[in-house]
Amino acid sequence: KAGVTQTPRYLIKTRGQQVTLSCSPISGHRSVSWYQQTPGQGLQFLFEYFSETQRNKGNFPGRFSGRQFSNSRSEMNVSTLELGDSALYLCASSLPTGVGGMTSTDTQYFGPGTRLTVL
Amino acid sequence: SQQGEEDPQALSIQEGENATMNCSYKTSINNLQWYRQNSGRGLVHLILIRSNEREKHSGRLRVTLDTSKKSSSLLITASRAADTASYFCATVSYNQGGKLIFGQGTELSVKP
Repeated sequence: KAGVTQTPRYLIKTRGQQVTLSCSPISGHRSVSWYQQTPGQGLQFLFEYFSETQRNKGNFPGRFSGRQFSNSRSEMNVSTLELGDSALYLCASSLPTGVGGMTSTDTQYFGPGTRLTVL
Repeated sequence: SQQGEEDPQALSIQEGENATMNCSYKTSINNLQWYRQNSGRGLVHLILIRSNEREKHSGRLRVTLDTSKKSSSLLITASRAADTASYFCATVSYNQGGKLIFGQGTELSVKP
């Protein structure tokens, strides 16, 4: 099976612009999570999507949003970019497990990430 | 926000030696996972240990979990230069939506 893919791999934007990152999960995985990694804050959870619905959200401002399509592919969008948004954005997919498929984070498979630089 | 802390922050050893990394966390968990990251790339899942397990092995990896102390350790035996990477523990608590909450990581350098 192909792994999780993320596009683009690198991106340079200027303050105030917006950006859209894309993630294609492993075939058959229905849950997609997004994480932000910075040297100062480390790895932080952004949000999780399952069956096109946002199921969980981290403590990020509303400028960060996402969506999931019927084929489980996901996009995240950051509007009005700030310098502090420079980071590695990681997407992870997983199979739903647990009662009724309500828990999906037993093992997550990560993509290579998109490195966003905001100038 | 980070769930826990990892210790040490950096570790440098010679090939063939064992490497031990520790992770402490704050709230009750359902499972704890260890991931490896090479040079700012994606994370690779290494091993998962559930809250009712005390020890787990996978190849040269040994993970222990002590829920009474809210801590875990990762032991890499007979380390190789290729083990050079950052290692992260991540906890999962179903009552918090099941998201992965990562520690700050341990940077391991294995010198040939």
